[in-house]
Amino acid sequence: SQQGEEDPQALSIQEGENATMNCSYKTSINNLQWYRQNSGRGLVHLILIRSNEREKHSGRLRVTLDTSKKSSSLLITASRAADTASYFCATDGGDNNDMRFGAGTRLTVKP
Amino acid sequence: AAGVIQSPRHLIKEKRETATLKCYPIPRHDTVYWYQQGPGQDPQFLISFYEKMQSDKGSIPDRFSAQQFSDYHSELNMSSLELGDSALYFCASSPLGWGYGYTFGSGTRLTVV
Repeated sequence: SQQGEEDPQALSIQEGENATMNCSYKTSINNLQWYRQNSGRGLVHLILIRSNEREKHSGRLRVTLDTSKKSSSLLITASRAADTASYFCATDGGDNNDMRFGAGTRLTVKP
Repeated sequence: AAGVIQSPRHLIKEKRETATLKCYPIPRHDTVYWYQQGPGQDPQFLISFYEKMQSDKGSIPDRFSAQQFSDYHSELNMSSLELGDSALYFCASSPLGWGYGYTFGSGTRLTVV
């Protein structure tokens, strides 16, 4: 991973449950973004949170950012089988102006 | 809506051959990024361009080079291909360099045999 670790690496839940994924990073950031990737496909931007923001919502997604702990969490509420994918966090700032990805969490939502 | 277009979608090359991957960003996006993603790996940043100039460089091997042209499309040139170069190569574009969500292309799957 170029930036940090995601926790857990894999998560399996039942449809309707909530899924929480965490991301830690190493350097100071300007922005943190969450992306989703279906197997072998391109990455889809989900949500961007700026370093001066603490929480952001988008539909069933809730993202928090704790810059003192250099960590972020992505909560997906009322999960659906279609949410099955890998979820990556990515940061920019610090030593780089370009986005660097964490290792990703593989989420499986069972119908 | 227009998306980031990458070509080709699939490419099979032999060791020591050369490959060229192309990326056409979203109109009016002036920044292009290249990422490499090996099987089961997270995307690794290779290189980026802003206004046709190299902006930042990541873990790009010396055997690879890239440029952004006057129409903002970008090409990633890969020479002396190795088996380990087999991966998905993604291009992304954004306006204004950073601070905005990136839009990714569908990727080029390169297989080196």
